[in-house]
Amino acid sequence: AQTVTQSQPEMSVQEAETVTLSCTYDTSESDYYLFWYKQPPSRQMILVIRQEAYKQQNATENRFSVNFQKAAKSFSLKISDSQLGDAAMYFCAYRSALNSGGSNYKLTFGKGTLLTVNP
Amino acid sequence: SAVISQKPSRDICQRGTSLTIQCQVDSQVTMMFWYRQQPGQSLTLIATANQGSEATYESGFVIDKFPISRPNLTFSTLTVSNMSPEDSSIYLCSGQGKETQYFGPGTRLLVL
Repeated sequence: AQTVTQSQPEMSVQEAETVTLSCTYDTSESDYYLFWYKQPPSRQMILVIRQEAYKQQNATENRFSVNFQKAAKSFSLKISDSQLGDAAMYFCAYRSALNSGGSNYKLTFGKGTLLTVNP
Repeated sequence: SAVISQKPSRDICQRGTSLTIQCQVDSQVTMMFWYRQQPGQSLTLIATANQGSEATYESGFVIDKFPISRPNLTFSTLTVSNMSPEDSSIYLCSGQGKETQYFGPGTRLLVL
């Protein structure tokens, strides 16, 4: 079974600075997807960024980028120019790329990292 | 991105009663799922909602406690049966789009 580990329960960053959130995972599969989701106090889960394991290039979405190290099974999220609205719980998630049934679409989540942005 | 709505957004219930949560997704979604998020915890998959047939439950979750229906492609319900305070959680519906899973706003349930 796959597992996702987020070793930082809480992080803080000053507004306009950069912060990196860590995520490691364990899997025996070679093809999969990795995600970062954001859950603000409103509790709506919002997709931040997605990475396909077969792509060597790191995904980027505006101020958000990842450092995907497949051999090390590491998937960190970098937030540049942090804004007050970035304050939220961030979840790293794994999904198999196998299409052999509905259960392979399930997401396995880490425990989350609570990010505080200080003005 | 897919649009997913849930209702109710929150409820306070007495132990021993049942609550049915509704989820509506738009047509971009194929698979539908129900997750539970206990206070201060991460999300755990309860089951995959299958159209027109019984849901596929994850280990630790049973149909008698969490009956799920999906009568058509875009609608599903989750019932939390015979509730106890331990069922107090946020329940989230999600839908699988082409490459991404989208989430509803969640239903916050408090059982007294």
